[in-house]
Amino acid sequence: SAVISQKPSRDICQRGTSLTIQCQVDSQVTMMFWYRQQPGQSLTLIATANQGSEATYESGFVIDKFPISRPNLTFSTLTVSNMSPEDSSIYLCSVALVGASTDTQYFGPGTRLTVL
Amino acid sequence: GDSVTQMEGPVTLSEEAFLTINCTYTATGYPSLFWYVQYPGEGLQLLLKATKADDKGSNKGFEATYRKETTSFHLEKGSVQVSDSAVYFCALNSNSGYALNFGKGTSLLVTP
Repeated sequence: SAVISQKPSRDICQRGTSLTIQCQVDSQVTMMFWYRQQPGQSLTLIATANQGSEATYESGFVIDKFPISRPNLTFSTLTVSNMSPEDSSIYLCSVALVGASTDTQYFGPGTRLTVL
Repeated sequence: GDSVTQMEGPVTLSEEAFLTINCTYTATGYPSLFWYVQYPGEGLQLLLKATKADDKGSNKGFEATYRKETTSFHLEKGSVQVSDSAVYFCALNSNSGYALNFGKGTSLLVTP
């Protein structure tokens, strides 16, 4: 497995502002992903973070709202832009490890975001 | 498209009871199947997985068998403990991409 950290662990933000969430992994990974878990709901994939190129977004998610960076094999950021209360969720990054089966993902502890 | 259906919770059991959480799936091809667990206040942890038909994943006393004929991956444990109280998510990876498709989760509460 891998040790995955996320910063911040939680935040309370005002509507209209933006928050950048960081995901750091202690080993090289092939794939990095960002998920959203709305209150009482399951996880929904936002996008796949691609190293050195634009992220691949799922239906319903756009780059202007959720810009993603991945400058190297162990780090990625997700920004939640122009936030509204509907963006209140837990945001999780996940990774698939180099040398391991790419269908198995490991998750970070999540960032709990509350938008007022 | 691919989808996962889990039994709705919450499920409340007494300690040492037998646990079954049902999970069925719809997918093209031969997906890999997973159970993840989310303990209160914590992130998601991989509990077990199975990658082909008739495979049995097991971990911490939990088991699930990949049943292609019934498109199911039910989670079982013979004797639950209070520490097993958590939300359990069934998920699949369709192998046509890398994204995990999750069920809605089943909340389990084990009482002493």
